[in-house]
This record gives sequence, structure tokens and C-alpha cells, in this order.
Amino acid sequence: DVKVTQSSRYLVKRTGEKVFLECVQDMDHENMFWYRQDPGLGLRLIYFSYDVKMKEKGDIPEGYSVSREKKERFSLILESASTNQTSMYLCASSFQGAALEKLFFGSGTQLSVL
Amino acid sequence: KQEVTQIPAALSVPEGENLVLNCSFTDSAIYNLQWFRQDPGKGLTSLLLIQSSQREQTSGRLNASLDKSSGRSTLYIAASQPGDSATYLCAALFGSNYQLIWGAGTKLIIKP
Repeated sequence: DVKVTQSSRYLVKRTGEKVFLECVQDMDHENMFWYRQDPGLGLRLIYFSYDVKMKEKGDIPEGYSVSREKKERFSLILESASTNQTSMYLCASSFQGAALEKLFFGSGTQLSVL
Repeated sequence: KQEVTQIPAALSVPEGENLVLNCSFTDSAIYNLQWFRQDPGKGLTSLLLIQSSQREQTSGRLNASLDKSSGRSTLYIAASQPGDSATYLCAALFGSNYQLIWGAGTKLIIKP
């Protein structure tokens, strides 16, 4: 089975801290994604990557950056955490094809910024 | 603007009933549509993926259909069980990009 692993299940950080959320997939997927999920707002795409060292902005990239130095790892970085970045963060991956194939998600990281 | 809508937002049915969850979309130029399940506080699990050339996909007690002309997809769950209780989301891919358009989900409760 495809496994997408997010390094932390719960995180508590303070305002202004630099936060790293790590995601690793074990199926050689080309595409990787970072979403955040908030009640009433649904899933919103932050960044995605379709190859190593490649990145594309999603719908809400402000306040975030990403890094993809290796194919299996996609990191989300909060440069200076703020309280409005308290959310559930979900990483996902998929094969690259003519159309987006099945999307596999990690278990999520619930981030609280105090 | 491409949109995906799921109505109702919540649904409660007795155990053993067959049920249908709805997903509607505004653009018939759809590449594919996925149905996902999400348990509280957890990530999403892909249930079924339907390509635009397909009309339906089946997995166990689940059957998903796609009707591009009417802009509708349905997820049929046969003989529902309490373990089916979860939020079900659909997501559609339009055009040749990597962004999915997500529905807000239907929270399903199966009463024992």
C-alpha cells in the first residue's frame, strides 16, 4: 500500500516561530501537495510540486514556502507562524499522468499557533 | 468559475439502508472525479476515481457514477453500516492542471 507519512500528528508552536512540516511518500510519486483544512472552508491548496526542486503556488501560498530536495520528501515551511495559521495540514501525493491519478493523503498534522 | 457542490451537508440514516451521496459540478469538461472518505481528525482516503471516459466505478459496497452532461456524480453505499459513518468528499479535476476543485463534504451518520 502507498504510504504518505507526516512527521507530526500534533504540533503546538508560538507566534513568530519558524515551523517545518515534513511529508514523505514511499511510492515514487511525482506529484506532492500541501493542503490546509479549516471548518467551513474545506480543503485549500497551499503549494504543490510535480518534480524535484519544482514548486507551484496553490490558492493560499501567502505566509508559506515549500522545499522538495528529494522526490520522496515535500516540506512545508511557515516562515513566521501566526495564529491564523492554526489549522489541520494535509499532505498528499499521486503519480503524474495525462490526468491526475488517485490522490493519497497522510494522516494530517493539527497545528496550533499560540 | 468551476465549482463542486455537495448537498446535503449532513445525512443520518438507519443501519442497513442503501443510500446515495450527491456531488454536482459546473463544468462538463471534467477530466476525472474522486470520492474520498475522512474520519474525524484524520486524513482523507481515496475511495473511487472515475475518469471522464467512464460512467461508473465499483468497490465492494460502493458504486460511484459520473454523468458529465448533467454535471453530477453520485456515491451509492449499499447496506450501510455504523462503520460507514464519516465525512465524504468529492473532488473534480478540470482542464490540464494539477488542481482539484473540492466539494465541502457530506457528513454521514449511520445509526445502529
